[in-house]
Amino acid sequence: NAGVTQTPKFQVLKTGQSMTLQCAQDMNHEYMSWYRQDPGMGLRLIHYSVGAGITDQGEVPNGYNVSRSTTEDFPLRLLSAAPSQTSVYFCASSLGTGAYEQYFGPGTRLTVT
Amino acid sequence: GESVGLHLPTLSVQEGDNSIINCAYSNSASDYFIWYKQESGKGPQFIIDIRSNMDKRQGQRVTVLLNKTVKHLSLQIAATQPGDSAVYFCAEIPNSGNTPLVFGKGTRLSVIA
Repeated sequence: NAGVTQTPKFQVLKTGQSMTLQCAQDMNHEYMSWYRQDPGMGLRLIHYSVGAGITDQGEVPNGYNVSRSTTEDFPLRLLSAAPSQTSVYFCASSLGTGAYEQYFGPGTRLTVT
Repeated sequence: GESVGLHLPTLSVQEGDNSIINCAYSNSASDYFIWYKQESGKGPQFIIDIRSNMDKRQGQRVTVLLNKTVKHLSLQIAATQPGDSAVYFCAEIPNSGNTPLVFGKGTRLSVIA
């Protein structure tokens, strides 16, 4: 299994541009989530999904959209990038919410100028 | 509100010594806790977990202790090695059932050779 994969690894955007961060997992996990990690802030939950067709907001959802059309994929969309969205983004998956180990992808480092 | 925090943001330990990383949580209803290790440039990696009906759980060179009375969690690493240098996060499930993990801000462990 490849586990959780994320693309791209690095991205630079200008303010106002849009883009999609890709996340895929091949472990047939129902639960997937997106986090952002900023210095001194730890991991903050952006959006999560408990299964195909179901998404929900996390702690910091503003400026981000998600969809879950398949079990495997959970893309994160930035509709109009802002410098405040400069961060490292991690996707994670697990068998379910609750007491399950989450597997993290390698991350996408995004810079918005 | 619910929060997971750490007593010390950085910890320096001599190689071969034992390391203790502490974590406080505020939600007495939390029933599942996980420790993650994050090496530079990588995503968090599961180390060990513990449920609220346990006080202690041991893995290979790691032990997690849970003190529900004072809402405190600790990770002990025996015979710390240079490869243990990383940021360590504790995370909790704030409520029983299907809720996302809440992460603390992390502690950076530096191992001095």
